[in-house]
Amino acid sequence: NAGVTQTPKFQVLKTGQSMTLQCAQDMNHEYMSWYRQDPGMGLRLIHYSVGAGITDQGEVPNGYNVSRSTTEDFPLRLLSAAPSQTSVYFCASSTDSQETQYFGPGTRLLVL
Amino acid sequence: AQSVTQLDSHVSVSEGTPVLLRCNYSSSYSPSLFWYVQHPNKGLQLLLKYTSAATLVKGINGFEAEFKKSETSFHLTKPSAHMSDAAEYFCVVTSTKRYSTLTFGKGTMLLVSP
Repeated sequence: NAGVTQTPKFQVLKTGQSMTLQCAQDMNHEYMSWYRQDPGMGLRLIHYSVGAGITDQGEVPNGYNVSRSTTEDFPLRLLSAAPSQTSVYFCASSTDSQETQYFGPGTRLLVL
Repeated sequence: AQSVTQLDSHVSVSEGTPVLLRCNYSSSYSPSLFWYVQHPNKGLQLLLKYTSAATLVKGINGFEAEFKKSETSFHLTKPSAHMSDAAEYFCVVTSTKRYSTLTFGKGTMLLVSP
């Protein structure tokens, strides 16, 4: 039982490049979400999903796309990276928003 | 709409003294409230949660929090700090409405000195 896994752990991009942050969970959770963490800002919700095929925007969705083709996987795509997207990204999963969120170890992204 | 305000960005205590981390919230619906802890370069771990049962909630590692509806507060306390408690703490609000989103406070960094 691996819980929530995220890859890569670190990534450096140049402005304008695209990439996908991977997130997977093996707990059969319906609710999955992506957050970014910036100093002094707490965690801010980017996108979330309440099941396969269902996604919705959070507080800071611009510049990011998501899809949910399976229960297990919830990838986050950066379409054209910008320095403002330099951050630490966390994926989380749970049975619902009122239940314990299980967080991945995070992906540290630097955009030059 | 919902929001969370953590009233202190940093709290410094000595080992063995009480800890108080303050959190106020607002929510249009009945709230569910959480405290998460993040140790340096780690992910987040649940400390405790309130979901409309008992107003005094006990969590892991001796932490507890009291839900006070009249004051819209959910302060986190611990009677005696330990060095290992040094970390960043996040107060989080969501509603009891199914599939609602979570809103995080900006965090309180707890510093524990020997």
